[in-house]
Amino acid sequence: EPEVTQTPSHQVTQMGQEVILRCVPISNHLYFYWYRQILGQKVEFLVSFYNNEISEKSEIFDDQFSVERPDGSNFTLKIRSTKLEDSAMYFCASSELRYEAFFGQGTRLTVV
Amino acid sequence: KNQVEQSPQSLIILEGKNCTLQCNYTVSPFSNLRWYKQDTGRGPVSLTIMTFSENTKSNGRYTATLDADTKQSSLHITASQLSDSASYICVVARDRLAFGKGNQVVVIP
Repeated sequence: EPEVTQTPSHQVTQMGQEVILRCVPISNHLYFYWYRQILGQKVEFLVSFYNNEISEKSEIFDDQFSVERPDGSNFTLKIRSTKLEDSAMYFCASSELRYEAFFGQGTRLTVV
Repeated sequence: KNQVEQSPQSLIILEGKNCTLQCNYTVSPFSNLRWYKQDTGRGPVSLTIMTFSENTKSNGRYTATLDADTKQSSLHITASQLSDSASYICVVARDRLAFGKGNQVVVIP
């Protein structure tokens, strides 16, 4: 069964460093998303991406964040100058239709 | 104010017993309502999806109900198993997906 894959599964980085989280969405999907889940809290929407551009972003998704689809298969989330409060699970999701989301297994980001 | 509220926040049940999780939402109208299961440290996995006009949807031992008039949904787990220990998240889709905080279920032998 096709699935969304994310790498790495765990990333530890020093405060102030840049990180890139990678995702390979399901191949025929058109909508791509990044979500964040701080430990013990609910899943939060960051950004959605459709037709090679950001279609929507939340207030969390500030200038520190950027997304890119560098080729036909990868979808990346870049966090510039990481902060301690960026520590969270980051989930990539993709869907064929707008109101769906198939989630990857997540990348646990730890900022120290 | 959160658009999706879930209760109870957590519960412990004996293996083999049934349980019901509640979801109250304010998002209206909406495209669909989903229940996800999230194992610790893993991504959410969709269990059921219901459109505005559907009242119930089953997936094995999981049965979701929807009352659009009262803006409530429930997820019933029948004959719980140890592998049911997880967080169950109610998600309402409109312009974007609105997530509840989840019901943390622990099944003990």
